[in-house]
Amino acid sequence: EVHLVESGGNLVQPGGSLRLSCAVSGFIFSNYAMSWVRQAPGKGLEWVSSVTNNGARTHYADSVKGRFTISRDNSKNTLYLQMNSLRAEDTAIYYCAKNPPTSGWFYFDYWGQGTLVTVSS
Amino acid sequence: EIVLTQSPGTLSLSPGQRATLSCRASQSVASNFLAWYRQKPGQAPRLLIYGASSRATGIPDRFSGGGSGTDFTLTISRLEPEDFAVFYCQQYGTSAGTFGPGTKVDIK
Repeated sequence: EVHLVESGGNLVQPGGSLRLSCAVSGFIFSNYAMSWVRQAPGKGLEWVSSVTNNGARTHYADSVKGRFTISRDNSKNTLYLQMNSLRAEDTAIYYCAKNPPTSGWFYFDYWGQGTLVTVSS
Repeated sequence: EIVLTQSPGTLSLSPGQRATLSCRASQSVASNFLAWYRQKPGQAPRLLIYGASSRATGIPDRFSGGGSGTDFTLTISRLEPEDFAVFYCQQYGTSAGTFGPGTKVDIK
């Protein structure tokens, strides 16, 4: 059974940093691209970032480009999101999600339960 | 950027009824790369449909997707209690695959 478990969410001040982790099991992690998707309180879904299966290529939404860094450790079956220069508008539940193979952009077939990031002074 | 519009915003129905949800794109979605998700309160989204009409693993056949180009639909033939939730469409035909704002299905 596929499991994705996020951790690292917390309350942080504007301008601060946070690192999210996502531990996965139940599938061959190194075979799949992975992504982060966020959801602001009471709002819809927003794709944040994706990384290819071997970590060679990364992609970012314009709203986080230059501030967030996605990475992965295939030996540890873990996905990361380093978030710097955090803003109030980054407040959201951050979901880790698995990407099935596609010739298109990314969609998401399995999701974690999410971790809450709150940016506030 | 492709903008997705979902209608109606809220759909009030009873268990056992049929639900038809609409997702309209501002431009044609390449290769019908359109997915649907259901999000129950307090839970993560779950993939229902990909490629506009293919059901994801474990999704019951009461869910069906259709449409092409700019107009897509999700049909739930008979609403079960777990279907009273928010449904999102997502296009993944272009970079930064965008989500629609969601349709909430609530109990009438």
